[in-house]
Amino acid sequence: AQTVTQSQPEMSVQEAETVTLSCTYDTSESNYYLFWYKQPPSRQMILVIRQEAYKQQNATENRFSVNFQKAAKSFSLKISDSQLGDTAMYFCASVLNFGNEKLTFGTGTRLTIIP
Amino acid sequence: DTGVSQNPRHKITKRGQNVTFRCDPISEHNRLYWYRQTLGQGPEFLTYFQNEAQLEKSRLLSDRFSAERPKGSFSTLEIQRTEQGDSAMYLCASSRGSSQPQHFGDGTRLSIL
Repeated sequence: AQTVTQSQPEMSVQEAETVTLSCTYDTSESNYYLFWYKQPPSRQMILVIRQEAYKQQNATENRFSVNFQKAAKSFSLKISDSQLGDTAMYFCASVLNFGNEKLTFGTGTRLTIIP
Repeated sequence: DTGVSQNPRHKITKRGQNVTFRCDPISEHNRLYWYRQTLGQGPEFLTYFQNEAQLEKSRLLSDRFSAERPKGSFSTLEIQRTEQGDSAMYLCASSRGSSQPQHFGDGTRLSIL
């Protein structure tokens, strides 16, 4: 079984600053994917970034980057130059590479960007 | 790519009634997933389809829940004899294949009176 833990229920940061959201996971598998999803208030879940476990290089997508520490089973999300539109719930999630198709989500971090 | 579409957006019903939700996935996606999200929590997996075949069901999916995906296109999720605990957001997602990113719809919010 997989578990995903997000230990920061809420965070806030000034606009234009950098913020890091934490995520740890537990799995006995070696092949898996990790994701960060963003869920703005009353809007749909959007994929922010994706990391394959077999890749050592950290994924980046514009202002979003991850720090993937496989041995520590840690997968944090860094948002640089934060913008008001980044205000949302952020969910960390994992899925196995083969067989089990379900996403396992953490409980989320509510991020507020302060103008 | 028109996105994943879910209907209705909101459903209010009395306890004991049956409800049905519909999900239309992105057209070229052969995998379709249902999740349930309660307030303040992350989504929890309910079931998923590869084409028309239902390949996995969570223990959360009691006998009152049934999902179908006839012809491998849209899917329906039916809840019979609704209970207060069924109040939640029901999310549908689709993907191109194994380990491909799942794209979510806006969800159907179910409220049980």
